[in-house]
This record gives sequence, C-alpha cells and structure tokens, in this order.
Amino acid sequence: NAGVMQNPRHLVRRRGQEARLRCSPMKGHSHVYWYRQLPEEGLKFMVYLQKENIIDESGMPKERFSAEFPKEGPSILRIQQVVRGDSAAYFCASSPGVPIRGPGYGYTFGSGTRLTVV
Amino acid sequence: SQQGEEDPQALSIQEGENATMNCSYKTSINNLQWYRQNSGRGLVHLILIRSNEREKHSGRLRVTLDTSKKSSSLLITASRAADTASYFCATAPLGGGGSNYKLTFGKGTLLTVNP
Repeated sequence: NAGVMQNPRHLVRRRGQEARLRCSPMKGHSHVYWYRQLPEEGLKFMVYLQKENIIDESGMPKERFSAEFPKEGPSILRIQQVVRGDSAAYFCASSPGVPIRGPGYGYTFGSGTRLTVV
Repeated sequence: SQQGEEDPQALSIQEGENATMNCSYKTSINNLQWYRQNSGRGLVHLILIRSNEREKHSGRLRVTLDTSKKSSSLLITASRAADTASYFCATAPLGGGGSNYKLTFGKGTLLTVNP
C-alpha cells in the first residue's frame, strides 16, 4: 500500500532553469494538493487539483508556477526560471475525494521534494 | 500573526518527561490536526480533533481543544528520544464548499527529547 510518492526527493537547479516536481497520489485518491514549506516556516497551501482540473490555485505565485494533474500519470508542479527564493520543500497530499466527514480527513502527505536553487 | 501559531517555538526535555505544545488560531474551524515532521522528512498525521470535541487521546498523545479561546494543546506523555521532531498544528476551515479543503499550518514547535 504505497503512500503518496513524490520525486525527486532532492532537486538542485541553477537560477533560470526549470524545476519539475512529481506527485503520484495514493491508490484510489483523485484529489491532489500542493503545499510549500519555506525554511523555518509552516506549510502554505498552493494549489488543489482533481484529474484534469485545477480547482483552486489561489496559493500559487502568479508567475512562473503552474500545476497539472492529467488523466493518466502523476501530478506535476512546474516552476519556470527558478530563483533562489523558490528554494523550499514542496509537499503533495492526496485524498480520496472531498472528505465526507469534513475538510482535512483522509489527507495523506508525501515525503516532499526539497528544491535548492543555486 | 497567523492562523495556527504554536508555542513554544522550541522545547527541550529529558526522556520520560511530558511535553506540552500549544496552538492558537484566529478563525472558526471545522477541525484541528496535529502533524509530526522529522528533520528533512515528510509530515505524519498524528491526530484530528473536531470543533465539537474537547479532548482526544491516541496512545501517548492527548489533544485538547478550546474553541472559546481558539486554542489547542498537544501533550506527549512519557516522551522518548524518537519523539524528537517538529510538531505542527493545522486548522481546517468551517463551512461547506468554498475552500474548506485548505489546511492552514503554523510554524511548528521543535521538540528535542534528550536520552
């Protein structure tokens, strides 16, 4: 029973390069959430996706960041032209649907991708 | 200040002692959750307490919730060195539809349990 799988675990990019972070949700989960954790901070919501749909991207920076969750394959968080301030841990969580018992139920987090921009 | 603030920021205790961490929040919530994060690792869900609950237990964990004070506490009894980690509270907002799926995290309490 694999959990939420994120890869790579660590990613180093030079300024100006593109970063692609992948998240495979738990089996049977169709909802994916991306969070970012800056150093010494708590996690901040970025985007909520269902298969082929972006439901809420209110936490995404307006430029350079995009996310998708295609019909087949993992969810991708893409950061174009990375800058040093993008260095952070990016976590993905998944849930089986809109939690019946209330928000936050059934969320499972992955181990994260630690992005370092040099 | 932000939703879901933990205090203290850091706590150092001896093995066998109890550890208490607190969390304050500002808006109405559906539930409040506590997570553990070992250094450089992912989040592990510990316990969830609903807004109509006042206390919940899970093994050595005890969580209380006071919605009138908008605060929660996490107690870890008989701590072990393996409990060393950062602990975060996260609140889930009240209300159906809308953005009730968003969790708002605090900055965490770094707990160190010395052997």
